[in-house]
Amino acid sequence: GENVEQHPSTLSVQEGDSAVIKCTYSDSASNYFPWYKQELGKRPQLIIDIRSNVGEKKDQRIAVTLNKTAKHFSLHITETQPEDSAVYFCAAINNDYKLSFGAGTTVTVRA
Amino acid sequence: ETGVTQTPRHLVMGMTNKKSLKCEQHLGHNAMYWYKQSAKKPLELMFVYNFKEQTENNSVPSRFSPECPNSSHLFLHLHTLQPEDSALYLCASSQGQRQETQYFGPGTRLLVL
Repeated sequence: GENVEQHPSTLSVQEGDSAVIKCTYSDSASNYFPWYKQELGKRPQLIIDIRSNVGEKKDQRIAVTLNKTAKHFSLHITETQPEDSAVYFCAAINNDYKLSFGAGTTVTVRA
Repeated sequence: ETGVTQTPRHLVMGMTNKKSLKCEQHLGHNAMYWYKQSAKKPLELMFVYNFKEQTENNSVPSRFSPECPNSSHLFLHLHTLQPEDSALYLCASSQGQRQETQYFGPGTRLLVL
């Protein structure tokens, strides 16, 4: 089955700086990579996703890149703000439509 | 925020108790999921239902018993749980099992004493 590894497990950044979270996956057949944000005490919510036929996708201050050859994908948050503080989960879906999650990255934005 | 609801939000139970978790989705979706979220671990998929039929049981112990009476409701019946079962239990739904975007409920925080 799919194995998704996520790094780092914690990330502290100064407000205004960028944050980068990296994930690797094992199943080369995986074709869809969503990112979820979970604020303290709240449910995970989809913030951005990317499909295997695209190398990069942006949505305002958030971008995701995908390297299919290396089997890794990354989340980039620019100009971080306090409300970006949360746990971020990457995930991958393979041809069996099974969603496998990374262990999560706790992002803290320091004011 | 009200698309997927879960009750109760918090639950404390003894190892000999029987309790049930409830999930309801108001999004017209056909697939529903149960996940277990423990500290410092990835979200673990437990069960998948598609059009009320169970399509996935991810080697979950029999002390967890799911029930899906219709596409809008999903239950997780709990009995003789262990302390290590303490976790956040999240329900999610998607348009169909082959639709990637899943919408999560707020979760039930379970503590087994």
